[in-house]
Amino acid sequence: RKEVEQDPGPFNVPEGATVAFNCTYSNSASQSFFWYRQDCRKEPKLLMSVYSSGNEDGRFTAQLNRASQYISLLIRDSKLSDSATYLCVVHTGRRALTFGSGTRLQVQP
Amino acid sequence: GAGVSQTPSNKVTEKGKYVELRCDPISGHTALYWYRQSLGQGPEFLIYFQGTGAADDSGLPNDRFFAVRPEGSVSTLKIQRTERGDSAVYLCASSPALTGGELFFGEGSRLTVL
Repeated sequence: RKEVEQDPGPFNVPEGATVAFNCTYSNSASQSFFWYRQDCRKEPKLLMSVYSSGNEDGRFTAQLNRASQYISLLIRDSKLSDSATYLCVVHTGRRALTFGSGTRLQVQP
Repeated sequence: GAGVSQTPSNKVTEKGKYVELRCDPISGHTALYWYRQSLGQGPEFLIYFQGTGAADDSGLPNDRFFAVRPEGSVSTLKIQRTERGDSAVYLCASSPALTGGELFFGEGSRLTVL
C-alpha cells in the first residue's frame, strides 16, 4: 500500500465550480500535512499547510481528519488558472516529505 | 541566486553511461533533498542532506546511485551505468532546516536514457 494515496483524476470542472480532492495516508505517526501545486512541466510549489483545526486561504480550504487519516482540499469558484496537479504531502518523523501521485484538475471555460 | 538552480536542465545519454546532475540550493539552506519524478507520478524521495552528511539515503534505488554534498552547499547526484528505467525528472529542493515545512524546488533535470 502506498504511503499517500490520491485519486489521479482528471477532474474536469467548469469555471466557477466547487471541487474537492481527498487524500489518505497510511502512517498514523505522520505529524505534518501539506498541499503542493504543480503546473505542467514545472516544479512543485507549496499551496498550503493543513492543520487539525482546518484552514482557509481565500478560495482554498484544507482539512485534516486524523482519526480516518485523510486530508482534503476544497477549491471554491474555480478559475482557469487553478488548472494544475495537486499533490498531497505528508511528513513523518525525521524523514523527508512524502508526496502522493497527485490529482489533476482541469478547469474549463 | 534567488532560487534553487539545477544543471543540466536536459540530459540525453546512452544506456550504460555515467551521469552527474548538479544542484545549487538557496543560500543559507542547510537541508537539501533529491527526488525523482516519472510521468504521471508524484516526486519520489531519493536522499536528503543536513549539512554535508546524508541524513537519509533510504530512497536511493540501488548502488548505481550516489550523491555528495562536500561543502554543505552544492550537491551532485551521480548515476553509474545508466538504464532506460532511470529516465525521469530529477528534482532538487532545499529548506532552511529539516523542519517538515516548505521545500523550495528547482526546475529539475530531465534525464533521458536511450
